[in-house]
Amino acid sequence: NAGVTQTPKFRILKIGQSMTLQCTQDMNHNYMYWYRQDPGMGLKLIYYSVGAGITDKGEVPNGYNVSRSTTEDFPLRLELAAPSQTSVYFCASSRGISYEQYFGPGTRLTVT
Amino acid sequence: EDQVTQSPEALRLQEGESSSLNCSYTVSGLRGLFWYRQDPGKGPEFLFTLYSAGEEKEKERLKATLTKKESFLHITAPKPEDSATYLCATPLGSNYQLIWGAGTKLIIKP
Repeated sequence: NAGVTQTPKFRILKIGQSMTLQCTQDMNHNYMYWYRQDPGMGLKLIYYSVGAGITDKGEVPNGYNVSRSTTEDFPLRLELAAPSQTSVYFCASSRGISYEQYFGPGTRLTVT
Repeated sequence: EDQVTQSPEALRLQEGESSSLNCSYTVSGLRGLFWYRQDPGKGPEFLFTLYSAGEEKEKERLKATLTKKESFLHITAPKPEDSATYLCATPLGSNYQLIWGAGTKLIIKP
């Protein structure tokens, strides 16, 4: 099992550009999450999904969108990138809502 | 305000020098306390879940304990490979969103 995979590993965007961060899991987990991690701060939940076709906002959803068309994939879309979106983004999945989460390797995004 | 606070921010130890990391929380109605390890440039990796005060869990040189207000991660005779950032988190709200501490960066010198 590959677990949770994320692409790309690194990306530099100009202000106003858009991009999609890809996330795929092969553990057949229903729950998937997107977090951002900033230096000296705890992980912040952006969006989460409880199954294909069902998504909901987390703590910091502004500037982002998600979709979940399959169990395996949970892409995160950034529209009109801003410097405040410079961060490391992690995708995670879990078997259930109160179970441990499995994380991908992260995407380091810089917006200049 | 519901929050999770970890201390210290960083801890430097000599190999073999035991110590403890603290995770204090103010959420009401605790529904689990999770510990994760994060290596540089990688995603967090699950270590333990504790559910009730008095519960303890162990894995190699690590032991996690839980009281009604805080959790400790005890590290016994650490080795350089134990160097990492240790994160704690707890579920919040009806949808069990995890609220995370900022982490403790542990450095073990040989």
